[in-house]
Amino acid sequence: AQRVTQPEKLLSVFKGAPVELKCNYSYSGSPELFWYVQYSRQRLQLLLRHISRESIKGFTADLNKGETSFHLKKPFAQEEDSAMYYCALSAFYTGGFKTIFGAGTRLFVKA
Amino acid sequence: DTGVSQDPRHKITKRGQNVTFRCDPISEHNRLYWYRQTLGQGPEFLTYFQNEAQLEKSRLLSDRFSAERPKGSFSTLEIQRTEQGDSAMYLCASSSGGRGRNEKLFFGSGTQLSVL
Repeated sequence: AQRVTQPEKLLSVFKGAPVELKCNYSYSGSPELFWYVQYSRQRLQLLLRHISRESIKGFTADLNKGETSFHLKKPFAQEEDSAMYYCALSAFYTGGFKTIFGAGTRLFVKA
Repeated sequence: DTGVSQDPRHKITKRGQNVTFRCDPISEHNRLYWYRQTLGQGPEFLTYFQNEAQLEKSRLLSDRFSAERPKGSFSTLEIQRTEQGDSAMYLCASSSGGRGRNEKLFFGSGTQLSVL
């Protein structure tokens, strides 16, 4: 079954501390993975996708196929990083492909 | 604002009533998704359109739910005989599909449905 698991509902860190938001996936094929973010009173938006190997707002994510993980990391958290973060997987099905989401992790960065 | 727009933003209805939501995607986008989100959960896939064709419908969607996308432009999601369990945020997203599975989804602000 295709599934995205985010084990932490809430992650609280101090400003300047490193942060890691965990994501594990279950998918039989080659995964395409994403992180989406929702800031307070804003729409859900794409943060980064693994294919681009990019760093956005200091965040990076590495695909580990052996551990079926795609954890999101930032070395020094900022208060403006406080938001809901959703890991997502684009999965094939008979009609094409679709994006499925994990339950999300709320990141709270304390001053 | 040229982003995805959804209407209404909020809908309060009584159990048993029918409701309809509208989504206007970004104009050049040919793929359109509907998701449902309840408190503490991520967006759950409901259905998806490629132009005007509805290509998949989740098992979450009972027969009381129907979605259309006439002419491949805006889409409507109708819920008939609403139940309290239908209370949720209904999100619409669109994409150009140009990068295949690496597509970037653009989300609307959602319609918050409350069934009393």
